[in-house]
Amino acid sequence: DAGVIQSPRHEVTEMGQEVTLRCKPISGHDYLFWYRQTMMRGLELLIYFNNNVPIDDSGMPEDRFSAKMPNASFSTLKIQPSEPRDSAVYFCASSSQGGYYGYTFGSGTRLTVV
Amino acid sequence: KQEVTQIPAALSVPEGENLVLNCSFTDSAIYNLQWFRQDPGKGLTSLLLIQSSQREQTSGRLNASLDKSSGRSTLYIAASQPGDSATYLCAVSKVGGANSKLTFGKGITLSVRP
Repeated sequence: DAGVIQSPRHEVTEMGQEVTLRCKPISGHDYLFWYRQTMMRGLELLIYFNNNVPIDDSGMPEDRFSAKMPNASFSTLKIQPSEPRDSAVYFCASSSQGGYYGYTFGSGTRLTVV
Repeated sequence: KQEVTQIPAALSVPEGENLVLNCSFTDSAIYNLQWFRQDPGKGLTSLLLIQSSQREQTSGRLNASLDKSSGRSTLYIAASQPGDSATYLCAVSKVGGANSKLTFGKGITLSVRP
């Protein structure tokens, strides 16, 4: 299995632009998570899905952030409009059976908003 | 709300030393505990997963233990090497519904001096 695949690896954008991050979970995993990592706050859960349905989005910082999972093999995290404080590394992770066998993370997308 | 603490934030040891990294969590009703390694600018690599019914797991020079009643886990690294230099993150999860998510500590940055 290729693992959790995220794209792009790096994204540099100007403030006010729309940014879309993409994730392909491991085939057969029914949970998908979006995390954000910063030096100040560490790893924070933004939102997670079970069977393509959003379960908990309480970590989404504000209305500028949205996430979708149109099918079992694809999810997006969108920021519109982007701001410099959104600069961080965004990780996608997936798991099965409620995490019984652990969680697998993608390589992350490093977002820089200038 | 689950809180995970890892102290100290940074550790420097000479090569060859055996060392212990600590992790504590506030809610002992966890499903499993997972230790990750993160190299600078990279993603999270899973090291060891301890399920709630287990007390320890071993992989090579690594041994992780779990004491749910006291809310603690330790990661033991034997005969440390410069290649072990990285940030080590502890994460705990619950299962099912709104609780099926990983909560992370801030990590311990380990430096092994040649």
